[in-house]
Amino acid sequence: GAGVSQSPSNKVTEKGKDVELRCDPISGHTALYWYRQRLGQGLEFLIYFQGNSAPDKSGLPSDRFSAERTGESVSTLTIQRTQQEDSAVYLCASSVQREVNEQFFGPGTRLTVL
Amino acid sequence: AQSVAQPEDQVNVAEGNPLTVKCTYSVSGNPYLFWYVQYPNRGLQFLLKYITGDNLVKGSYGFEAEFNKSQTSFHLKKPSALVSDSALYFCAVRDGAGVQGGKLIFGQGTELSVKP
Repeated sequence: GAGVSQSPSNKVTEKGKDVELRCDPISGHTALYWYRQRLGQGLEFLIYFQGNSAPDKSGLPSDRFSAERTGESVSTLTIQRTQQEDSAVYLCASSVQREVNEQFFGPGTRLTVL
Repeated sequence: AQSVAQPEDQVNVAEGNPLTVKCTYSVSGNPYLFWYVQYPNRGLQFLLKYITGDNLVKGSYGFEAEFNKSQTSFHLKKPSALVSDSALYFCAVRDGAGVQGGKLIFGQGTELSVKP
């Protein structure tokens, strides 16, 4: 079946512009996660959506970052007034919300802020 | 706070030899541990997980991991390495109480290089 998809795969933007990244989770997965991976580093948690519960936004690095999710489907991560330090690969993952299940990751969006 | 550490940035192994990628963890409560692999320009792929039960967990592509509570370790192993195993490996622990959901806390990653 289809996995997690993300778009665009690459995004180059100028400092100060806003960007929007999209994630389509696996159908039926009620949990959706966003992570950031800077060059040569591990993954940093950003935000987590779990069904109809309030999202866990504890990993968002600043108020320039926000995310939304429509029901149990598509999610968008928005970065306003981008800075060069925002350059990274943004990974989305989804999982079934029962027991301790693994997360399935998308291919990521590589964001470059010039 | 939950955390994991991968003490080696890089591991070099000859093809056919056994490999070990190390991971130690620090958690409050029961540890839920994961290994993921990342091939170049691709997303992370799940290898295996430990929740409870048998300390030796078997996963994809012939990998296994040994959970050691006294040493707070969860090392990834494979009896005979392949060149195609060369990739970036991440250990992770699930954060959050309860059995459902929870973000993953990742280690910094270990680059595995298997030479012919």
